[in-house]
Parts: sequence; C-alpha cells; structure tokens
Amino acid sequence: QVTLKESGPALVKPTQTLTLTCTFSGFSLSTSGMRVSWIRQPPGKALEWLARIDWDDDKFYSTSLKTRLTISKDTSKNQVVLTMTNMDPVDTATYYCARIGIRNSVDYWGQGTLVTVSS
Amino acid sequence: QSVLTQPPSVSGAPGQRVTISCTGSSSNIGAGYDVHWYQQLPGTAPKLLIYGNSNRPSGVPDRFSGSKSGTSASLAITGLQAEDEADYYCQSYDSSPNYVFGTGTKVTVL
Repeated sequence: QVTLKESGPALVKPTQTLTLTCTFSGFSLSTSGMRVSWIRQPPGKALEWLARIDWDDDKFYSTSLKTRLTISKDTSKNQVVLTMTNMDPVDTATYYCARIGIRNSVDYWGQGTLVTVSS
Repeated sequence: QSVLTQPPSVSGAPGQRVTISCTGSSSNIGAGYDVHWYQQLPGTAPKLLIYGNSNRPSGVPDRFSGSKSGTSASLAITGLQAEDEADYYCQSYDSSPNYVFGTGTKVTVL
C-alpha cells in the first residue's frame, strides 16, 4: 500500500525559506523508475507542478520557480525534502507530495499541507 | 499559471452525460504526450481518474471515460451521480520537462 505524507510549518514569514518533508511508504526511491514530485494548489485555484526527483537522483524543476527550489532525497529514511526560498504571500497554498506513475501520471498523492505566508 | 484550458464549470442532472474539454498546444498534448485526469472532492487531495488518455485505474467506475485528439482531450461522465460532484483537472507533460495542469472544472449535479 503506497502512502505519502507531508510535514512542515503551517505558517512562514515573507522572505523566509520553507522546508517541507515528504515521508512515504509502499515503495522505494532506490528502485529503478521511481519518481516523486511536489505539487501545490493555492486556495481556490488550480494545481501547479513544482519539482521532481528520480531514483537515480536526477532533479527537475518548474521553469518559473527553479531559482527558488531545491529537491533532495534520503533513501534510507524514505523521505523527499523540498526547500523554497524567499517566500511570498502568493506562495500560500496546499503543498502536495506525490508519486509519478505510469506514463507521467500522478498515481498517488499525499493528503497535502497548507502553508500560509504572512507576517 | 495553468497551461491547459478547461471550462470553469459544467452541470447536469442525475443520470445525464457531461463532458469536460481540455485544450493544450503543440508543445504538450499536440506533441503526443499523454493526458491524465484527476477528481478532487471538496477538501481532499486529487485522485487519479484516467491515465494515458483513456485508461481507468483499478476501482474507477466505467462511467468515466477519456479521449484525446490533436491538441485537446475530453473527459466524459455518463450516468451522472451526486457523488461525482467535484473539481476535475487534466494534466499533460511538455519537454522541459514540465508537468502541466488544466485550469480545473467544477462539476455540479443538479
């Protein structure tokens, strides 16, 4: 059974750096072909893909946010970490950790964690 | 900044058929990349509904079907039920690589 769960602060101040952790089970990121992404959704708005990390440590970022994002993994802990620098109120959103599945679909999602950016 | 365009809302009576369109471009859907569909019930995470244009994951009712043509795709719901009231998103891919999502469609069961 595949599960993913996000953890991190619910509130960050403008200009601070956000660090989110995804803890997953039911698969291993050391297995060939496995990939994990972060996706966010501002309140009442659409989904936006942020970053992806692969089993071989390849990393990919949203073109519009790549200068602010860093994704990493700890295979021994079954965790993926996302950092986003210089947070702004427009970054207020629910952040989802998700597994990339067949044909680049998102086959499993975490429950999401709401991050509010406010002073 | 969604790259794929969907109608903001569609509605239908129980038992009716509704369709949701998803329009992309030559850099994503039109480049041959697959389209996937997600259902998001209020207050919950999205759930994969259709993958690879027209395939249903195990457990998804056959009332849901997908198709793709050119730079567009569609999701059809036949025999609409009250429990289908949700937001629906399409998703594809471009060569950046970049995962692109639709603007989202709210389905209302009258």
